[in-house]
Amino acid sequence: DAGVIQSPRHEVTEMGQEVTLRCKPISGHDYLFWYRQTMMRGLELLIYFNNNVPIDDSGMPEDRFSAKMPNASFSTLKIQPSEPRDSAVYFCASSLLQGGREKLFFGSGTQLSVL
Amino acid sequence: KNEVEQSPQNLTAQEGEFITINCSYSVGISALHWLQQHPGGGIVSLFMLSSGKKKHGRLIATINIQEKHSSLHITASHPRDSAVYICAVPGSSNTGKLIFGQGTTLQVKP
Repeated sequence: DAGVIQSPRHEVTEMGQEVTLRCKPISGHDYLFWYRQTMMRGLELLIYFNNNVPIDDSGMPEDRFSAKMPNASFSTLKIQPSEPRDSAVYFCASSLLQGGREKLFFGSGTQLSVL
Repeated sequence: KNEVEQSPQNLTAQEGEFITINCSYSVGISALHWLQQHPGGGIVSLFMLSSGKKKHGRLIATINIQEKHSSLHITASHPRDSAVYICAVPGSSNTGKLIFGQGTTLQVKP
C-alpha cells in the first residue's frame, strides 16, 4: 500500500480564498483523522471519521472549516474563507481501530500558507 | 481531560550516547503512542504500548501504568536519530481523540 496520500504538499493562497486539502487513507482503515500542527499549539485534532461518518468535530476551529468523507477512500478538509492564522501544516492520518488502540499512519502533510 | 508533559523539551547528544525522553500523563489510558517527526516534517508512529516494554532496533519504549509515565530510550544514538519525538495519549473519554505532548527536539551530533 502507498500509505496515506495527501495533496497538495504545499498550498499558498491569499486571504479570503477557498482552500481544499485532500486525503486518501490506507485501504481498509476504518478511521480517518485530520490534524493541524503549528509552532504555538503543536498537533491538534480537528475532526475524525469512523466508516466515513464524522464522530468528533470539536476541534474544528470555526464554521470556516468543514470536512467531508464521501467514501472510504477519500476525504477533504475545506477552509472558506481562509485567513492568515490558518497557516499551518495539516496532516491526515488513518488507522484500523480508534486512535487510542491502534497505530496511526500519517500522510506527508500539506503546508498551507495564507498571505 | 488528559494532560501530557514531555521532558526534556530539547536534547543535544553526541553520537553513541544513550538517550532517554520522558512522558507523563494525568489520566489513566488504554495505550500510549510515541511518534517521530523528522526535519522534513513527516510523522511516523514508532510505538503504541499499553504495558511493559517494546523494542524496535535501537529504540525501546517502556510504560508504567500505575505511575502514568512512559520513557523512550535510544541506544547507540546516531545523527539520523535527530528528530522531534512526540508522545500522545487518548483524551478523557474512550474516543479516537489523541492528546499530544509538546515534543522533544533531539539533535545527535557526529
